[in-house]
Amino acid sequence: DADVTQTPRNRITKTGKRIMLECSQTKGHDRMYWYRQDPGLGLRLIYYSFDVKDINKGEISDGYSVSRQAQAKFSLSLESAIPNQTALYFCATSDSQDGSYQPQHFGDGTRLSIL
Amino acid sequence: RKEVEQDPGPFNVPEGATVAFNCTYSNSASQSFFWYRQDCRKEPKLLMSVYSSGNEDGRFTAQLNRASQYISLLIRDSKLSDSATYLCVVKTGGFKTIFGAGTRLFVKA
Repeated sequence: DADVTQTPRNRITKTGKRIMLECSQTKGHDRMYWYRQDPGLGLRLIYYSFDVKDINKGEISDGYSVSRQAQAKFSLSLESAIPNQTALYFCATSDSQDGSYQPQHFGDGTRLSIL
Repeated sequence: RKEVEQDPGPFNVPEGATVAFNCTYSNSASQSFFWYRQDCRKEPKLLMSVYSSGNEDGRFTAQLNRASQYISLLIRDSKLSDSATYLCVVKTGGFKTIFGAGTRLFVKA
């Protein structure tokens, strides 16, 4: 079983719809992240959370919101989807111990298309 | 200037070749460095951390040059299965992690 699980894996929806992407992890990590990836742009951070009570905006948080329901669960919502939010979305986790030196571990990704 | 820059490639090499990628970073306070591998439409996977003294893992060697602010990845005896995009990752204290856009490698028979 995957350590970091994202659902759904693929989603096609229409402009204006509300969408939730879910992430759960069994790694026991405190830190969780949401990224989007667009061709040629690399990974860009949307939101991150260092524990259940901690939520922080990343570089491209506009149009997105998150919820950290538990240590193991971190969901990303698009309140009113627009076509330029079409992208590949990744959830990631990392260990807080010696945090600066810990790598991130990624889920399989969610391919989201907004028509 | 981007905080982390990589040559996008693609690098096209024959099996058995040695290939090297460089990655430059702009923040001299950067603390930790990694190389990830990403296959098409898949998640990035950690390939190796990069240590100050350089480190090797089988056919892969990573180097860090703090003075010139770059890291490198050397792949020896390339295999077809090495074909992927290689992402350079730089962490600058606390939470900030910057991913390069990646270098594409194609290894041909």
